[in-house]
Amino acid sequence: DTGVSQDPRHKITKRGQNVTFRCDPISEHNRLYWYRQTLGQGPEFLTYFQNEAQLEKSRLLSDRFSAERPKGSFSTLEIQRTEQGDSAMYLCASTPGVSTDTQYFGPGTRLTVL
Amino acid sequence: LAKTTQPISMDSYEGQEVNITCSHNNIATNDYITWYQQFPSQGPRFIIQGYKTKVTNEVASLFIPADRKSSTLSLPRVSLSDTAVYYCLVGVSLANQAGTALIFGKGTTLSVSS
Repeated sequence: DTGVSQDPRHKITKRGQNVTFRCDPISEHNRLYWYRQTLGQGPEFLTYFQNEAQLEKSRLLSDRFSAERPKGSFSTLEIQRTEQGDSAMYLCASTPGVSTDTQYFGPGTRLTVL
Repeated sequence: LAKTTQPISMDSYEGQEVNITCSHNNIATNDYITWYQQFPSQGPRFIIQGYKTKVTNEVASLFIPADRKSSTLSLPRVSLSDTAVYYCLVGVSLANQAGTALIFGKGTTLSVSS
């Protein structure tokens, strides 16, 4: 148990609907990352927060994707007008407040778009 | 970007030592080499990290030659529960020198049989 939690674990939605996922990082971890993983591929970096500041978002897949971390604790990832190609595992990871590659991942949210 | 290349798959038997080699010819001077393990429907789990020479922890060893253009993850006496995907990766510094995004490849699928 890494301590990073994600909710929900599974989400099934119809094309065109909006979905929101939540990530709770390890307590006192300042940095939070979102990744997407499709079948047979490694995780793909999406965006990153240092406390409440979103410092990197250029790799979000489209303007339908957005993320927030309003109080520097939990984070949400929203996908608007979902498409079948959005079906994937969405992973969250956190690290302490120093530059490190050791990211602690949550269990992920599996999204299925019908 | 430092790209990594590793075998797509490997097979082993219980009790054997497994060595997975990864090449990273364009590794940057300040990049660390990190290995993660991932089971189906779970987030990646940190195994080991190193910069040069040899690093050993309770689960694995990491061998890095002087030129750092490759690395070898060594798993002693594998068991069935070591069946997983193993990712070799180097970090990519994000803007503002404030964090590191992990660039995952497809990983090596290790299958351990009895």
